Amino acid sequence: GQNIDQPTEMTATEGAIVQINCTYQTSGFNGLFWYQQHAGEAPTFLSYNVLDGLEEKGRFSSFLSRSKGYSYLLLKELQMKDSASYLCAVRDSNYQLIWGAGTKLIIKP
Amino acid sequence: IAGITQAPTSQILAAGRRMTLRCTQDMRHNAMYWYRQDLGLGLRLIHYSNTAGTTGKGEVPDGYSVSRANTDDFPLTLASAVPSQTSVYFCASAREGSTDTQYFGPGTRLTVL
Repeated sequence: GQNIDQPTEMTATEGAIVQINCTYQTSGFNGLFWYQQHAGEAPTFLSYNVLDGLEEKGRFSSFLSRSKGYSYLLLKELQMKDSASYLCAVRDSNYQLIWGAGTKLIIKP
Repeated sequence: IAGITQAPTSQILAAGRRMTLRCTQDMRHNAMYWYRQDLGLGLRLIHYSNTAGTTGKGEVPDGYSVSRANTDDFPLTLASAVPSQTSVYFCASAREGSTDTQYFGPGTRLTVL
């Protein structure tokens, strides 16, 4: 079967750095997405990786290792507004998105 | 309209009733999707449409139907609602079906009693 694993919940301190991991086992791979979802709101696109390596976008970076079936989202200089769920999704060989259950990130002052 | 809109925002429905959730986008995206999101589970695809006039089944299509008469609208119908269909429903769209980023509407919170 296809599976995306993420930690259920993480806590971090304002101003710090946090790394949210995602491991996947899918039938084929055609890219990995990270979305942010604030409570009661829609998911919003953060990043896309299809090749190995690090993609940096401001305070957020996303890393991919296809051989390990692994990605992480790195958030720097954490702000209270970063409190949200972070969803990892993999596009499989049929170009369908397989979604993880999301990681709830709690930021403390 | 800017982006994707969904209606209603929330709804409480008696079991056995018919319900249509509306989704409209003004980005001229070819592909549209319906997902449900339940606590502790990832988003699950119900139905999708890669272009106007075509639809396909996702991971959890039973009890739901869709139509795509034009580019902008993609309604989701529950013919006879059951309590297990209590969920938050998100509509999404993408410029092209298989390769582009999906953008989400604000969601509809549906409770079936």
